[in-house]
Amino acid sequence: EDQVTQSPEALRLQEGESSSLNCSYTVSGLRGLFWYRQDPGKGPEFLFTLYSAGEEKEKERLKATLTKKESFLHITAPKPEDSATYLCAVQAETGANNLFFGTGTRLTVIP
Amino acid sequence: EAGVTQSPTHLIKTRGQQATLRCSPISGHTSVYWYQQALGLGLQFLLWYDEGEERNRGNFPPRFSGRQFPNYSSELNVNALELEDSALYLCASSPDYTGELFFGEGSRLTVL
Repeated sequence: EDQVTQSPEALRLQEGESSSLNCSYTVSGLRGLFWYRQDPGKGPEFLFTLYSAGEEKEKERLKATLTKKESFLHITAPKPEDSATYLCAVQAETGANNLFFGTGTRLTVIP
Repeated sequence: EAGVTQSPTHLIKTRGQQATLRCSPISGHTSVYWYQQALGLGLQFLLWYDEGEERNRGNFPPRFSGRQFPNYSSELNVNALELEDSALYLCASSPDYTGELFFGEGSRLTVL
């Protein structure tokens, strides 16, 4: 059964304090791993897709990396506007096209 | 370009009633996905529609159903509402099968 576990559940950082969010996954053949950002009361917003181990993607202060068992979302010198819940999701190679989401990491960046 | 739109924004129902939620995808997107996000839980996959057909459904009872119209808009119906159906219902559309989903802002259903 597909499974996605994100840690930590919540993270508080001082502005400028870099850190990483973890996403561990179990899936019967990975088609893609996705990172989304969700602000309170809003729908998730797509950030990255990673397809194979060793792949990296960057966007502003965010960098996503992928291994065969987990993905990391590195946040460098975060700003208060980076505060949000970050969701990880996997898409399996076989069967349905839908994404299987983790429960997210709620990030708070304090000025 | 307009994003995914959902209506209503909020809906309050009582146990046993029926709820209908609506979604208009981004123009040109043929796939529509429905997810349930209950408080403290992750997004749970409900239904996937593509080209007017139901392609897959998640682990939800049959009282959760829906359809996709010829213009690719979609509606989600929840019959015989239960208290635990209270959640944010998110619709997403996609132009392909890559998994890059564009989400609406959701419909918050409260069951009293």
